[in-house]
Amino acid sequence: AQKVTQAQTEISVVEKEDVTLDCVYETRDTTYYLFWYKQPPSGELVFLIRRNSFDEQNEISGRYSWNFQKSTSSFNFTITASQVVDSAVYFCALRAFSNSGYALNFGKGTSLLVTP
Amino acid sequence: SQTIHQWPATLVQPVGSPLSLECTVEGTSNPNLYWYRQAAGRGLQLLFYSVGIGQISSEVPQNLSASRPQDRQFILSSKKLLLSDSGFYLCAWSRQRSYEQYFGPGTRLTVT
Repeated sequence: AQKVTQAQTEISVVEKEDVTLDCVYETRDTTYYLFWYKQPPSGELVFLIRRNSFDEQNEISGRYSWNFQKSTSSFNFTITASQVVDSAVYFCALRAFSNSGYALNFGKGTSLLVTP
Repeated sequence: SQTIHQWPATLVQPVGSPLSLECTVEGTSNPNLYWYRQAAGRGLQLLFYSVGIGQISSEVPQNLSASRPQDRQFILSSKKLLLSDSGFYLCAWSRQRSYEQYFGPGTRLTVT
């Protein structure tokens, strides 16, 4: 079975602080894909990143960075120098290939509030 | 570039009434299409997916059905809505050999 746990339900930070959103996943598959999505108040999910299970390189995109560690089954997301526009719900998701192989298994999301 | 549309954006329907939500994708051909529901508590659940016209797979048995009458059109339906059908319905697409899914703006359904 596939499972994604985002233990942080809500996080509140002040603008310019760094914040890390945690994601822990479970799967028995050796090949899988991990994702992060952002859901602003408008509701649409915005794709941020995909990471393959065989590629443990960390990635940086502007103020965003991702730390993938297979040893701890974690795929954490850090926002550096947070801004008010970063306020949203962030979802971590896993796609593995048992069962149908098409579903993205989402965590319950972390609501991030960045205040001025 | 590709875009995905959903309508209506919001819908209030009484219990027992029918439902039809539509999703269309532009700028790509032969996409995989998906319907998700996001209930209170924020979790997203895959309801249906389709890898081609007329090919529908259901992930969770329920009161809903899906159809794909055209390559880039995906419809979510119900003959009789239940209160538990309330939620935020998201359509998504992906390329055939790609894994990331791109989501539409969603439809907020309230069943009264």
